Amino acid sequence: DTGVSQDPRHKITKRGQNVTFRCDPISEHNRLYWYRQTLGQGPEFLTYFQNEAQLEKSRLLSDRFSAERPKGSFSTLEIQRTEQGDSAMYLCASSFRPGTSGGIRNEQFFGPGTRLTVL
Amino acid sequence: KQEVTQIPAALSVPEGENLVLNCSFTDSAIYNLQWFRQDPGKGLTSLLLIQSSQREQTSGRLNASLDKSSGRSTLYIAASQPGDSATYLCAVRVLWNNDMRFGAGTRLTVKP
Repeated sequence: DTGVSQDPRHKITKRGQNVTFRCDPISEHNRLYWYRQTLGQGPEFLTYFQNEAQLEKSRLLSDRFSAERPKGSFSTLEIQRTEQGDSAMYLCASSFRPGTSGGIRNEQFFGPGTRLTVL
Repeated sequence: KQEVTQIPAALSVPEGENLVLNCSFTDSAIYNLQWFRQDPGKGLTSLLLIQSSQREQTSGRLNASLDKSSGRSTLYIAASQPGDSATYLCAVRVLWNNDMRFGAGTRLTVKP
């Protein structure tokens, strides 16, 4: 399977606990995105990496949230001191940024998501 | 701030009908627009991507158009099938930014 994968698919935790999610992008993709989706809404952008550099963070990403992509491949999203309002689907996407010689369009491909439930 | 709206929020049609889903956005300074399909509890599947310089894209029974100046895109589904039942989301990528803004989606049900 050469698509975007996420682990775990489901996570149930108690309020106040820390959780960590993992995303493995499509291997040749240099861009990686995290989104959050609540029921009945479209995904909301959280943060974005180009290779190992975190280039953008949404104001939705409070100081309890941290994301890393240490080697420019997989990424982790950690939520500390979880709150019930953090319950959502966390989606990861990847894309390829074409070089100056042109190339592949910047189409985002999504993983299956991690559904977080905070009790 | 870019706002993306999808109308209708839900749509139910009999099998075989042709249908149009609408997406509107407030800021025409976009890099591209992408249509996705999402099945319940699942991730998003990319259907079509239209670059800002393009007017439409086609894939099988799907055709997406883009009118950047009026801030509109439509997704046309021909000869709908029950397997097309899903939520359809449009998203725009704004210029000078890697932020993708999504609409809330149109939930489509195709009845056999």
